[in-house]
Amino acid sequence: NAGVTQTPKFQVLKTGQSMTLQCAQDMNHEYMSWYRQDPGMGLRLIHYSVGAGITDQGEVPNGYNVSRSTTEDFPLRLLSAAPSQTSVYFCASSYTKVSTNGGPGAQHFGDGTRLSIL
Amino acid sequence: QQQVKQSPQSLIVQKGGISIINCAYENTAFDYFPWYQQFPGKGPALLIAIRPDVSEKKEGRFTISFNKSAKQFSLHIMDSQPGDSATYFCAAPIPRAYKYIFGTGTRLKVLA
Repeated sequence: NAGVTQTPKFQVLKTGQSMTLQCAQDMNHEYMSWYRQDPGMGLRLIHYSVGAGITDQGEVPNGYNVSRSTTEDFPLRLLSAAPSQTSVYFCASSYTKVSTNGGPGAQHFGDGTRLSIL
Repeated sequence: QQQVKQSPQSLIVQKGGISIINCAYENTAFDYFPWYQQFPGKGPALLIAIRPDVSEKKEGRFTISFNKSAKQFSLHIMDSQPGDSATYFCAAPIPRAYKYIFGTGTRLKVLA
């Protein structure tokens, strides 16, 4: 199994350009999510999905769009890149529930996309 | 109320020493507390996790201690090795909200 695969690994964009970060998982996980990692701020949730056709906003959704047409894929779109979106982006997946209280299970992460906006 | 507060931000330990990283939370509905380990250039990977119905969980040199009344949990790395040098994150899934929150991370350096 490949786990969670992210492409590209590195990308440089100019302000105003758009692009799509790809994420695919082969573990049949219902839950998928996107995080950005910035120094001193840990991992912040951008968007997440609990299944095909269902997406919702996380902590920092502005400037990003997502869709979930299949269980396997969860692309992240930057609509008009800004320097503040320079970051490392991680995609993660998991089973949806781990307890009677619900909530996503242990997250399986890809190796990230390092994005620089000039 | 949905935060987990992690400390210290960075930690330097001698080889063979004990590394201790702490996290505090406010939401008593949290019921699953994983720790993640991240090496440079890689994504975080699950290291060990605990539920609040136990006070301690040990896997090899890694131990989670959980204090439910104080709403705190800690990661202890016994006999720390240079290969343990990484960034460690505590985390918690928000029940029924399908959101996962992470601490801000602790960068551990183990000196040879």
